[in-house]
Amino acid sequence: GAVVSQHPSRVICKSGTSVKIECRSLDFQATTMFWYRQFPKQSLMLMATSNEGSKATYEQGVEKDKFLINHASLTLSTLTVTSAHPEDSSFYICSAVLRGGAGLGEQYFGPGTRLTVT
Amino acid sequence: GNSVTQMEGPVTLSEEAFLTINCTYTATGYPSLFWYVQYPGEGLQLLLKATKADDKGSNKGFEATYRKETTSFHLEKGSVQVSDSAVYFCALSVGRDDKIIFGKGTRLHILP
Repeated sequence: GAVVSQHPSRVICKSGTSVKIECRSLDFQATTMFWYRQFPKQSLMLMATSNEGSKATYEQGVEKDKFLINHASLTLSTLTVTSAHPEDSSFYICSAVLRGGAGLGEQYFGPGTRLTVT
Repeated sequence: GNSVTQMEGPVTLSEEAFLTINCTYTATGYPSLFWYVQYPGEGLQLLLKATKADDKGSNKGFEATYRKETTSFHLEKGSVQVSDSAVYFCALSVGRDDKIIFGKGTRLHILP
């Protein structure tokens, strides 16, 4: 089946530093990937849509200068949290869309990255 | 706007009990409906889906029927197992941009 990986699975960084999280589709190409943020006991909040070869589309209220997204290839999207602060600590999840012909693609989710900012 | 409301957990049941997790939605247009499951320490997995009214999605003994008249997509299983312990998310997608809107999730504990 379609597999999506994330790296790292856990990261601890100091306040003010930047952290990069990678999302890879291992056995399929994905022109579209999504980045979510999951708070404890809450739902996944869509942060942005990552499009290969073009700029990411951010959801309302998400700071695009803080959460930099680069969809470098059809199998890799990266999320960089710049100048991280403790309130950025969260569980970040990506998904990649597998399309089979015309129509709605199916999303496959990565295992998530736990970011802790101290 | 589009949203999903599902019953709050945690839900605790004994093994072999009947499970229902309620989910209702509001949507513009005609959404596709999903149930995702997140096992401890793992990523979300699609459990089942339905793309039009009256469709029934099923997988691993779980079922959910797309009820347009009640805007619902309740998840059911006749006999749960300890291995079903996980967080279950109801979700919808409208339009062709593949965006998924999730409910808050329901944590399910199954006791042996």
